[in-house]
Amino acid sequence: AQKVTQAQTEISVVEKEDVTLDCVYETRDTTYYLFWYKQPPSGELVFLIRRNSFDEQNEISGRYSWNFQKSTSSFNFTITASQVVDSAVYFCALIPLGGTSYGKLTFGQGTILTVHP
Amino acid sequence: ETGVTQTPRHLVMGMTNKKSLKCEQHLGHNAMYWYKQSAKKPLELMFVYNFKEQTENNSVPSRFSPECPNSSHLFLHLHTLQPEDSALYLCASSQSTEAFFGQGTRLTVV
Repeated sequence: AQKVTQAQTEISVVEKEDVTLDCVYETRDTTYYLFWYKQPPSGELVFLIRRNSFDEQNEISGRYSWNFQKSTSSFNFTITASQVVDSAVYFCALIPLGGTSYGKLTFGQGTILTVHP
Repeated sequence: ETGVTQTPRHLVMGMTNKKSLKCEQHLGHNAMYWYKQSAKKPLELMFVYNFKEQTENNSVPSRFSPECPNSSHLFLHLHTLQPEDSALYLCASSQSTEAFFGQGTRLTVV
């Protein structure tokens, strides 16, 4: 079985601050994909990034960056110079590619990020 | 537009009503999911279908009845719901390398 843990339930920052959302996962599979999703107040979940277990390179996309460390089973997400529009719930998720849980999507509990002007 | 479409977007129903939520995906994904999201709570997995077969029922009350007639469609049939069932119901589909969500149905039980 797999598990995704987002230890931070809520984070509150002031605009322009940097913020890091933590994600730790457990899986017995050696091959898997990790995801981050954003859920704005409108409700839909928006795909942000996918990372496969063989690719530990960090990725930067504009103000967003992701730090994948297989040794610590972590896939953290950093927003640089946060903006009010970044306020949302952020979910980390995992899909294993082996065993009986092949293809099953598992989510973390979500982190509510509030960016104040 | 993620490729996963949910209808209706909003639904208000009485406790004695019967209604159905619909989810459709044309992404060629094999797995489809129903999630419930109540206010300020994490996503709760309700049902998983893999290749049209139900592979998980996460202790969901029988007043929620899923149906997966083919790999592109997923329904959630609702009957005799309770006010605490009011929530956002999200459908998702996944293949090994990607997972996408619909926009959700905001359900209010009165």
